[in-house]
Amino acid sequence: EAQVTQNPRYLITVTGKKLTVTCSQNMNHEYMSWYRQDPGLGLRQIYYSMNVEVTDKGDVPEGYKVSRKEKRNFPLILESPSPNQTSLYFCASSRIIAETQYFGPGTRLLVL
Amino acid sequence: GQQVMQIPQYQHVQEGEDFTTYCNSSTTLSNIQWYKQRPGGHPVFLIQLVKSGEVKKQKRLTFQFGEAKKNSSLHITATQTTDVGTYFCAGYNFNKFYFGSGTKLNVKP
Repeated sequence: EAQVTQNPRYLITVTGKKLTVTCSQNMNHEYMSWYRQDPGLGLRQIYYSMNVEVTDKGDVPEGYKVSRKEKRNFPLILESPSPNQTSLYFCASSRIIAETQYFGPGTRLLVL
Repeated sequence: GQQVMQIPQYQHVQEGEDFTTYCNSSTTLSNIQWYKQRPGGHPVFLIQLVKSGEVKKQKRLTFQFGEAKKNSSLHITATQTTDVGTYFCAGYNFNKFYFGSGTKLNVKP
């Protein structure tokens, strides 16, 4: 089954404790992206990747890192999480840039 | 920076009434996509519009892209309870997507 998976689905952590949210797709998609969703603000793009080893900043990249060592995986790294990074995070992928995006189920993060 | 504004924020309708949500971009877009997110779910792709003035229909849903490629709308005819959810537009430009804040649709049976 074609899908985008994210882990973990829920995470509670404390300020400053490094964490990684994994994202994997099995559709051989080139374009992958991370978004955060906050009430009243819609989805905001954090980082995107056009292919392996090619990543770039979205609209709200501060406090986040990403890597794309393999085509299928696009982890999101929070080196030193802060409470303002409490949010619902979605990973998405598309066959090529600007096409239909397929979203993962989301990761709900709470930073205390 | 680039912005995509979406209105209204909320819409409550009686089942059978029509519904429209509007998106307006501060700059010309390469294309615009529409997504639906059910409560507790993830965004699901509905459609993509690319050409100036383009109109596409999916059963009771009609999507339009403005002549200047800066605005778009989604119209649902005769809403049903299955239409409940939040509808987002996403404008695309220069490798990035800019989502509207969404319109949350509630349909009373």
